Amino acid sequence: QVQLVESGGGLVKPGGSLRLSCAASGFTFSDYYMTWIRQTPVKGLEWVSYISGTADTIYYADSVKGRFTISRYSAKNSLYLQMNRLRVEDTAVYFCARVGHGGQIDYWGQGTLVTVSS
Amino acid sequence: DIQMTQSPSTLSASVGDRVTITCRASQSINTWLAWYQQKPGKAPKLLIYKASTLESGVPSRFSGSGSGTEFTLTVSSLHPDDFATYYCQQYNNWWTFGQGTKVEI
Repeated sequence: QVQLVESGGGLVKPGGSLRLSCAASGFTFSDYYMTWIRQTPVKGLEWVSYISGTADTIYYADSVKGRFTISRYSAKNSLYLQMNRLRVEDTAVYFCARVGHGGQIDYWGQGTLVTVSS
Repeated sequence: DIQMTQSPSTLSASVGDRVTITCRASQSINTWLAWYQQKPGKAPKLLIYKASTLESGVPSRFSGSGSGTEFTLTVSSLHPDDFATYYCQQYNNWWTFGQGTKVEI
């Protein structure tokens, strides 16, 4: 069955960096777009970034553009999110998710908490 | 950006009740709409996509309808396991989510 397992969250100071990883299994990783979505109690669910199966199409939400970088390594069935110049407002649970062939998000990981605080 | 507005924000119900949640888009999204269920501390789970297509394995008491800007999620008879928060999401133009509807006892 499809499994997505995130890691790499934690506490970081404003201006710092963090790299999230997502290990995928149970499907042909390179056949699917993948995405990062974050959730906070105040702003709810917010799409962050997505990447095509071949990594030739990448998009970012305006709120993270220029600071975050999404990537994937098919040999390891892994998705990454490099987060630089972190801000307090980036504090959230970050979910790795698979995009179904119709565009809907069909599987989510369990999430990893990122806390940006001094 | 397309804004998604759900109503109500909270819904009090009992086991066996029929419940309906509404989601409105700020502009037409055709039928590019999904519904998710989320329980505390867990990831969202896909229930319905393309406005009315039931995801595999999801009980048939869940149904979705609508097109354009107005959509509904209906649970025909609430089970104890259905008390959760429900989100709509448009995927016509990027992805945006509604603010959620908490279904509570």
